[in-house]
Amino acid sequence: KQEVTQIPAALSVPEGENLVLNCSFTDSAIYNLQWFRQDPGKGLTSLLLIQSSQREQTSGRLNASLDKSSGRSTLYIAASQPGDSATYLCAVRRTGSSNTGKLIFGQGTTLQVKP
Amino acid sequence: KAGVTQTPRYLIKTRGQQVTLSCSPISGHRSVSWYQQTPGQGLQFLFEYFSETQRNKGNFPGRFSGRQFSNSRSEMNVSTLELGDSALYLCASSLVTGDSGGYTFGSGTRLTVV
Repeated sequence: KQEVTQIPAALSVPEGENLVLNCSFTDSAIYNLQWFRQDPGKGLTSLLLIQSSQREQTSGRLNASLDKSSGRSTLYIAASQPGDSATYLCAVRRTGSSNTGKLIFGQGTTLQVKP
Repeated sequence: KAGVTQTPRYLIKTRGQQVTLSCSPISGHRSVSWYQQTPGQGLQFLFEYFSETQRNKGNFPGRFSGRQFSNSRSEMNVSTLELGDSALYLCASSLVTGDSGGYTFGSGTRLTVV
């Protein structure tokens, strides 16, 4: 059974800091891994998608890495801003036709960036 | 282009009633998945539809059902509502089932059961 864990559960940093959010998964047979952002009471916004054959993806101040063999992904946020305050979720899609459309989510890391 | 649209945004229902939620995927997307989000359980997969067929189902009781129409719009229905069904219901669309392009989520429907 695939389990996804995110550490830490909550994080508070001063503006301008670089930070790393961690995501681990128990089964390395994944199709891809996706990082999302969720603002309070809102839906999910996709940040980065990493295919199983890729090692990292970058978008602006965000960089996500994937190490399938160790079952880990990290989301690096450079020069954090108050507008980055949100809950960050990672989700994996397992391989196999029985897992299409099904993402398995971690519990999220709630980030607060203080001005 | 328009994103994933979910209606209604908020809903209050009484225990025992039934409810229907709607999801319109991004134009051209044919796969729609549904998720339930609660503070205790987080995000849990309900089911996925592609070409009007349910392709995958999560571990939820039979009170939760869904369907997809020929225009790819999807509805989910919850019958005999329980207090524990209070949650944010999210749908996600992708181009095709098994798509490597990832999923785009809507803003969700907040269901409160009283």
